[in-house]
Amino acid sequence: KNQVEQSPQSLIILEGKNCTLQCNYTVSPFSNLRWYKQDTGRGPVSLTIMTFSENTKSNGRYTATLDADTKQSSLHITASQLSDSASYICVVRESGGYNKLIFGAGTRLAVHP
Amino acid sequence: SAVISQKPSRDICQRGTSLTIQCQVDSQVTMMFWYRQQPGQSLTLIATANQGSEATYESGFVIDKFPISRPNLTFSTLTVSNMSPEDSSIYLCSVLQGPNTEAFFGQGTRLTVV
Repeated sequence: KNQVEQSPQSLIILEGKNCTLQCNYTVSPFSNLRWYKQDTGRGPVSLTIMTFSENTKSNGRYTATLDADTKQSSLHITASQLSDSASYICVVRESGGYNKLIFGAGTRLAVHP
Repeated sequence: SAVISQKPSRDICQRGTSLTIQCQVDSQVTMMFWYRQQPGQSLTLIATANQGSEATYESGFVIDKFPISRPNLTFSTLTVSNMSPEDSSIYLCSVLQGPNTEAFFGQGTRLTVV
């Protein structure tokens, strides 16, 4: 069964600290992996999209890594800000069909001053 | 990119009634989808909205309960019919231009059924 599992489920860090969120997937065949940020009461917003051949991709203070061999991805947030408080969702797309986006349950991050 | 306007943003409805949610995109898009997100849960795909034909529903979702329209490449509606408290959730519209492109989401409709 295609699944995307994220850890931790929730995380609290102090402003200015770094953190790393994990994503493991069993989706096959694999097309790409996406990280989204979802603020409370809003729709998800894309942070990165990574294909099979990409190991690392950065978007400002967000850096995503992908190991397609072990089927693991991470999202590293540097120098966290209060505005980083949100849910971070890992999404994996199967190849061969547009509508097969498999969503993780998300990691809820709270950044405290 | 695509800008999605979804409305209403929230509503409180009586059980047994129906609510229609609208999704308007600022450009023509290939694929449009409707998702449900229950509190603390991940997004679950309800259906793919097909332009000019019947929507394609995922397992567990049926047309009688969630009728969908897509009259053109920029607009779609989702109706939640004969609502019960179990339908209380966030409903999200999403669009996708291609397999390796971003999926854009509307802001969501927070539905509470009382």
